[in-house]
Amino acid sequence: DTAVSQTPKYLVTQMGNDKSIKCEQNLGHDTMYWYKQDSKKFLKIMFSYNNKELIINETVPNRFSPKSPDKAHLNLHINSLELGDSAVYFCASSRNRGYEQYFGPGTRLTVT
Amino acid sequence: GQQVMQIPQYQHVQEGEDFTTYCNSSTTLSNIQWYKQRPGGHPVFLIQLVKSGEVKKQKRLTFQFGEAKKNSSLHITATQTTDVGTYFCAASNAGGTSYGKLTFGQGTILTVHP
Repeated sequence: DTAVSQTPKYLVTQMGNDKSIKCEQNLGHDTMYWYKQDSKKFLKIMFSYNNKELIINETVPNRFSPKSPDKAHLNLHINSLELGDSAVYFCASSRNRGYEQYFGPGTRLTVT
Repeated sequence: GQQVMQIPQYQHVQEGEDFTTYCNSSTTLSNIQWYKQRPGGHPVFLIQLVKSGEVKKQKRLTFQFGEAKKNSSLHITATQTTDVGTYFCAASNAGGTSYGKLTFGQGTILTVHP
């Protein structure tokens, strides 16, 4: 039983396109996150939602828009994709703020 | 914002040797978490340290939190090939609007040669 799942696992697209990544957790957690991991493995928080409310919004281009339809789902929509958006995007969840985080398998985005 | 420096960036060891990665912060941390990411995988939570001077062990792994709560270390005794991966420390914000936000160190990529 997958705890945190993401789709798709791989995403190859051209510059200028719009794409979405979906995330779902079946752990009953209240808090969900999106991270970006670059080619040097650096993990950076992008967004966090707690009970569907946006609580962390780091300095991210406004081409990135998260949406949480319910507390089990946190999707990430990216407009006008750029080469620099190529990375692995991880979704994560935690019981609440400050607790250990459970990561999804990641979505490898390649923009050509 | 909060910054956590982690060293070394890379470590190559022979199987059976010990390994240590260090995290340092210029500010006092409320707690620190450690994660392991296998090659091609996702970060997996290992442990959380909260108390000053805390030491926790998980089999061959020993985690320490400094007395001043500004540094932490992860030590692996007698490495095995299954220890290969990237080890991250992550500092958690204690309160305010960013409560619970994790700031990750740069990670240490461990390679174990059989």
